[in-house]
Amino acid sequence: DAGVTQSPTHLIKTRGQQVTLRCSPKSGHDTVSWYQQALGQGPQFIFQYYEEEERQRGNFPDRFSGHQFPNYSSELNVNALLLGDSALYLCASSPGTGYYEQYFGPGTRLTVT
Amino acid sequence: RKEVEQDPGPFNVPEGATVAFNCTYSNSASQSFFWYRQDCRKEPKLLMSVYSSGNEDGRFTAQLNRASQYISLLIRDSKLSDSATYLCAVKRDDKIIFGKGTRLHILP
Repeated sequence: DAGVTQSPTHLIKTRGQQVTLRCSPKSGHDTVSWYQQALGQGPQFIFQYYEEEERQRGNFPDRFSGHQFPNYSSELNVNALLLGDSALYLCASSPGTGYYEQYFGPGTRLTVT
Repeated sequence: RKEVEQDPGPFNVPEGATVAFNCTYSNSASQSFFWYRQDCRKEPKLLMSVYSSGNEDGRFTAQLNRASQYISLLIRDSKLSDSATYLCAVKRDDKIIFGKGTRLHILP
């Protein structure tokens, strides 16, 4: 049973560019949440997708957008990258929206230069 | 003031000792509470949900004090493999908020 998978593992981008990160949830999970984790900080909630819609959103600008597909996989898009967007981006899946039994993927480490 | 606060540590504890962490939350509307464990350069893993009545899983015990707005995690008979960062998380308005984490080093 595959857990949560994310791609790519690492990414280097230049300021102003756009990036797309991908996530496949654990089998049987229908909800995907995205987090940004800067060094030395806890994960910061970006948004949650359920039934292909953004259900909840944290305090992130509109440059951060996402999508969920019918197979429950998800993408996180970040436009107009800033140096401060450098972080580990974590995807987590759960069976339902309650965050119980939430499993994280290994993350994508994004470096913006 | 951060909505979820934890002592960053590090806590340096000899193997076999008991260690306890607290986590405070500022919003009384918080609904659900969790402890996660995160190893260096790895993803967080759910350790346990925290219930009002308290709950135990082996050497780990979690407690919730709604009146004082804190949750606690107690680790008994600590092992070297318990060395990690422990994150508390709070669900409010269908969003989840993490603390910065507490670093634990178990010393041989």
